[in-house]
Amino acid sequence: AQSVTQLGSHVSVSEGALVLLRCNYSSSVPPYLFWYVQYPNQGLQLLLKYTTGATLVKGINGFEAEFKKSETSFHLTKPSAHMSDAAEYFCAVGGDNDMRFGAGTRLTVKP
Amino acid sequence: KAGVTQTPRYLIKTRGQQVTLSCSPISGHRSVSWYQQTPGQGLQFLFEYFSETQRNKGNFPGRFSGRQFSNSRSEMNVSTLELGDSALYLCASSLRLGGQETQYFGPGTRLLVL
Repeated sequence: AQSVTQLGSHVSVSEGALVLLRCNYSSSVPPYLFWYVQYPNQGLQLLLKYTTGATLVKGINGFEAEFKKSETSFHLTKPSAHMSDAAEYFCAVGGDNDMRFGAGTRLTVKP
Repeated sequence: KAGVTQTPRYLIKTRGQQVTLSCSPISGHRSVSWYQQTPGQGLQFLFEYFSETQRNKGNFPGRFSGRQFSNSRSEMNVSTLELGDSALYLCASSLRLGGQETQYFGPGTRLLVL
Protein backbone atom coordinates (compact mmCIF):
# COMPACT_ATOMS: atom_id res chain seq x y z
CA ALA A 1 0.00 0.00 0.00
CA GLN A 2 1.22 3.47 -0.78
CA SER A 3 0.28 6.98 0.21
CA VAL A 4 1.54 10.50 -0.30
CA THR A 5 1.33 13.53 1.95
CA GLN A 6 2.08 16.99 0.67
CA LEU A 7 2.74 19.37 3.53
CA GLY A 8 1.05 22.68 2.93
CA SER A 9 -1.83 23.09 0.50
CA HIS A 10 -0.66 26.63 -0.23
CA VAL A 11 2.88 27.97 -0.37
CA SER A 12 3.74 31.56 -1.09
CA VAL A 13 7.23 32.80 -1.94
CA SER A 14 8.70 36.01 -3.28
CA GLU A 15 10.16 36.15 -6.76
CA GLY A 16 13.80 35.08 -6.55
CA ALA A 17 13.36 33.19 -3.30
CA LEU A 18 13.90 29.49 -2.75
CA VAL A 19 10.98 27.23 -3.57
CA LEU A 20 10.52 24.21 -1.30
CA LEU A 21 7.50 21.98 -1.69
CA ARG A 22 7.37 19.08 0.72
CA CYS A 23 6.31 15.55 -0.03
CA ASN A 24 6.43 12.49 2.21
CA TYR A 25 5.42 9.06 1.09
CA SER A 26 4.85 5.61 2.42
CA SER A 27 5.38 2.54 0.34
CA SER A 28 5.80 -1.14 1.03
CA VAL A 29 7.95 -1.54 -2.06
CA PRO A 30 10.79 0.52 -3.53
CA PRO A 31 8.90 3.49 -4.84
CA TYR A 32 8.81 5.39 -8.05
CA LEU A 33 8.33 9.06 -7.16
CA PHE A 34 6.99 11.84 -9.32
CA TRP A 35 6.35 15.55 -9.30
CA TYR A 36 3.76 17.00 -11.66
CA VAL A 37 2.82 20.61 -12.30
CA GLN A 38 -0.49 22.00 -13.49
CA TYR A 39 -0.34 25.58 -14.71
CA PRO A 40 -3.52 27.68 -14.71
CA ASN A 41 -5.78 26.66 -17.58
CA GLN A 42 -3.25 24.15 -18.82
CA GLY A 43 -2.82 20.43 -18.60
CA LEU A 44 -0.61 18.43 -16.30
CA GLN A 45 3.07 18.11 -17.00
CA LEU A 46 5.58 15.69 -15.59
CA LEU A 47 8.29 17.72 -13.86
CA LEU A 48 10.56 14.88 -12.83
CA LYS A 49 10.59 11.23 -11.88
CA TYR A 50 12.73 9.09 -9.60
CA THR A 51 13.04 5.37 -10.26
CA THR A 52 16.44 4.09 -9.19
CA GLY A 53 19.98 5.35 -9.11
CA ALA A 54 20.95 8.92 -8.33
CA THR A 55 18.83 10.28 -5.54
CA LEU A 56 18.96 13.87 -6.77
CA VAL A 57 16.70 14.17 -9.78
CA LYS A 58 16.73 17.16 -12.06
CA GLY A 59 13.60 18.13 -13.85
CA ILE A 60 12.36 20.75 -16.23
CA ASN A 61 12.25 24.50 -15.56
CA GLY A 62 15.09 24.37 -13.03
CA PHE A 63 13.31 22.16 -10.51
CA GLU A 64 14.93 19.25 -8.73
CA ALA A 65 13.95 16.79 -6.04
CA GLU A 66 15.94 14.59 -3.71
CA PHE A 67 14.88 11.11 -2.69
CA LYS A 68 15.69 10.54 0.98
CA LYS A 69 14.82 7.01 1.91
CA SER A 70 15.60 7.50 5.61
CA GLU A 71 13.14 10.38 5.77
CA THR A 72 10.67 8.90 3.24
CA SER A 73 10.71 12.27 1.56
CA PHE A 74 10.88 13.59 -1.97
CA HIS A 75 10.85 17.37 -1.58
CA LEU A 76 10.82 19.60 -4.66
CA THR A 77 13.11 22.62 -4.80
CA LYS A 78 14.06 25.45 -7.08
CA PRO A 79 16.77 27.93 -6.05
CA SER A 80 15.04 31.03 -7.40
CA ALA A 81 11.32 31.36 -7.97
CA HIS A 82 9.97 32.96 -11.10
CA MET A 83 6.52 34.40 -11.57
CA SER A 84 5.84 31.74 -14.18
CA ASP A 85 6.29 29.03 -11.52
CA ALA A 86 2.89 29.87 -10.04
CA ALA A 87 0.92 26.67 -10.42
CA GLU A 88 -0.35 23.63 -8.57
CA TYR A 89 2.18 20.91 -7.89
CA PHE A 90 1.40 17.28 -7.26
CA CYS A 91 3.65 14.66 -5.75
CA ALA A 92 2.95 11.02 -6.58
CA VAL A 93 4.26 7.61 -5.59
CA GLY A 94 4.08 4.58 -7.88
CA GLY A 95 4.93 0.94 -7.65
CA ASP A 96 3.20 -2.25 -6.56
CA ASN A 97 0.85 -1.88 -9.52
CA ASP A 98 -0.59 1.36 -8.22
CA MET A 99 0.03 5.08 -8.20
CA ARG A 100 -1.14 7.57 -5.60
CA PHE A 101 -1.17 11.34 -5.83
CA GLY A 102 -0.90 13.93 -3.12
CA ALA A 103 -3.61 16.53 -2.68
CA GLY A 104 -1.49 19.16 -4.35
CA THR A 105 0.28 22.34 -3.26
CA ARG A 106 -0.64 25.63 -4.83
CA LEU A 107 2.42 27.81 -5.26
CA THR A 108 1.98 31.57 -5.36
CA VAL A 109 4.90 33.78 -6.38
CA LYS A 110 4.81 37.38 -5.18
CA PRO A 111 6.59 40.12 -7.14
CA LYS B 1 4.54 17.06 -33.72
CA ALA B 2 0.94 16.74 -32.53
CA GLY B 3 0.34 16.40 -28.83
CA VAL B 4 -1.87 13.97 -26.98
CA THR B 5 -5.43 14.26 -28.17
CA GLN B 6 -8.52 13.19 -26.30
CA THR B 7 -12.02 12.90 -27.60
CA PRO B 8 -14.59 13.98 -26.81
CA ARG B 9 -13.59 17.01 -24.77
CA TYR B 10 -16.92 17.24 -22.98
CA LEU B 11 -19.58 14.65 -22.36
CA ILE B 12 -22.87 14.52 -20.49
CA LYS B 13 -24.36 11.16 -19.58
CA THR B 14 -27.00 9.88 -17.21
CA ARG B 15 -26.65 7.35 -14.45
CA GLY B 16 -26.57 3.79 -15.66
CA GLN B 17 -25.24 4.60 -19.10
CA GLN B 18 -21.83 3.64 -20.33
CA VAL B 19 -19.19 5.83 -21.90
CA THR B 20 -16.08 5.36 -24.02
CA LEU B 21 -13.30 7.91 -24.05
CA SER B 22 -10.52 7.96 -26.60
CA CYS B 23 -6.89 8.96 -26.39
CA SER B 24 -4.38 9.28 -29.21
CA PRO B 25 -0.82 9.43 -27.94
CA ILE B 26 2.05 11.31 -29.45
CA SER B 27 3.41 9.50 -32.47
CA GLY B 28 5.98 6.94 -31.41
CA HIS B 29 4.82 6.75 -27.80
CA ARG B 30 3.81 3.26 -26.78
CA SER B 31 2.81 3.92 -23.20
CA VAL B 32 -0.58 5.44 -22.37
CA SER B 33 -1.87 6.13 -18.88
CA TRP B 34 -5.28 7.26 -17.69
CA TYR B 35 -6.09 9.39 -14.63
CA GLN B 36 -9.22 10.70 -12.98
CA GLN B 37 -9.28 14.15 -11.44
CA THR B 38 -12.07 15.32 -9.15
CA PRO B 39 -12.30 18.16 -6.61
CA GLY B 40 -13.00 15.69 -3.81
CA GLN B 41 -10.56 12.88 -4.54
CA GLY B 42 -7.92 14.78 -6.47
CA LEU B 43 -5.83 12.98 -9.01
CA GLN B 44 -6.11 9.22 -9.15
CA PHE B 45 -4.38 6.76 -11.40
CA LEU B 46 -6.61 4.47 -13.40
CA PHE B 47 -4.38 2.29 -15.54
CA GLU B 48 -1.39 2.18 -17.84
CA TYR B 49 -1.03 0.40 -21.15
CA PHE B 50 2.12 -0.45 -23.01
CA SER B 51 2.17 -2.21 -26.35
CA GLU B 52 -1.50 -3.25 -26.02
CA THR B 53 -0.98 -4.75 -22.55
CA GLN B 54 -2.20 -3.35 -19.27
CA ARG B 55 0.93 -2.82 -17.26
CA ASN B 56 -0.45 -1.18 -14.12
CA LYS B 57 -3.88 -0.70 -12.66
CA GLY B 58 -5.12 1.63 -9.97
CA ASN B 59 -7.72 0.98 -7.33
CA PHE B 60 -10.91 1.42 -9.33
CA PRO B 61 -13.89 -0.92 -9.65
CA GLY B 62 -14.26 -3.24 -12.59
CA ARG B 63 -16.70 -0.81 -14.20
CA PHE B 64 -13.61 1.03 -15.36
CA SER B 65 -11.79 -0.73 -18.16
CA GLY B 66 -9.47 0.13 -20.95
CA ARG B 67 -7.63 -1.16 -23.92
CA GLN B 68 -4.88 -0.18 -26.28
CA PHE B 69 -4.74 -0.80 -29.97
CA SER B 70 -1.81 -1.73 -32.16
CA ASN B 71 -1.38 1.93 -33.18
CA SER B 72 -1.06 2.82 -29.46
CA ARG B 73 -4.39 4.62 -29.38
CA SER B 74 -6.24 3.84 -26.20
CA GLU B 75 -9.82 3.79 -25.08
CA MET B 76 -11.27 3.88 -21.62
CA ASN B 77 -14.74 2.57 -20.88
CA VAL B 78 -16.90 3.18 -17.86
CA SER B 79 -20.04 1.09 -17.56
CA THR B 80 -23.08 1.67 -15.37
CA LEU B 81 -22.16 5.28 -14.72
CA GLU B 82 -22.60 6.73 -11.25
CA LEU B 83 -22.86 10.37 -10.23
CA GLY B 84 -19.45 10.10 -8.61
CA ASP B 85 -17.88 9.29 -11.96
CA SER B 86 -18.23 12.94 -12.94
CA ALA B 87 -14.65 14.04 -13.37
CA LEU B 88 -11.93 15.18 -15.68
CA TYR B 89 -10.34 12.14 -17.29
CA LEU B 90 -6.78 12.68 -18.34
CA CYS B 91 -4.71 10.61 -20.68
CA ALA B 92 -0.95 10.78 -20.93
CA SER B 93 1.55 9.22 -23.26
CA SER B 94 5.14 8.69 -22.39
CA LEU B 95 8.41 7.82 -23.99
CA ARG B 96 11.53 6.52 -22.34
CA LEU B 97 14.81 7.35 -24.00
CA GLY B 98 18.26 6.90 -22.56
CA GLY B 99 16.94 6.38 -19.06
CA GLN B 100 14.86 9.53 -19.16
CA GLU B 101 11.09 9.42 -19.28
CA THR B 102 8.99 12.21 -20.64
CA GLN B 103 5.27 12.22 -20.12
CA TYR B 104 2.77 14.40 -21.93
CA PHE B 105 -0.83 14.89 -20.94
CA GLY B 106 -3.84 15.51 -23.09
CA PRO B 107 -6.36 18.25 -22.34
CA GLY B 108 -8.74 15.76 -20.77
CA THR B 109 -12.34 14.73 -21.24
CA ARG B 110 -14.73 16.36 -18.82
CA LEU B 111 -17.53 13.92 -18.02
CA LEU B 112 -20.69 14.99 -16.27
CA VAL B 113 -23.03 12.29 -15.04
CA LEU B 114 -26.56 13.43 -14.28
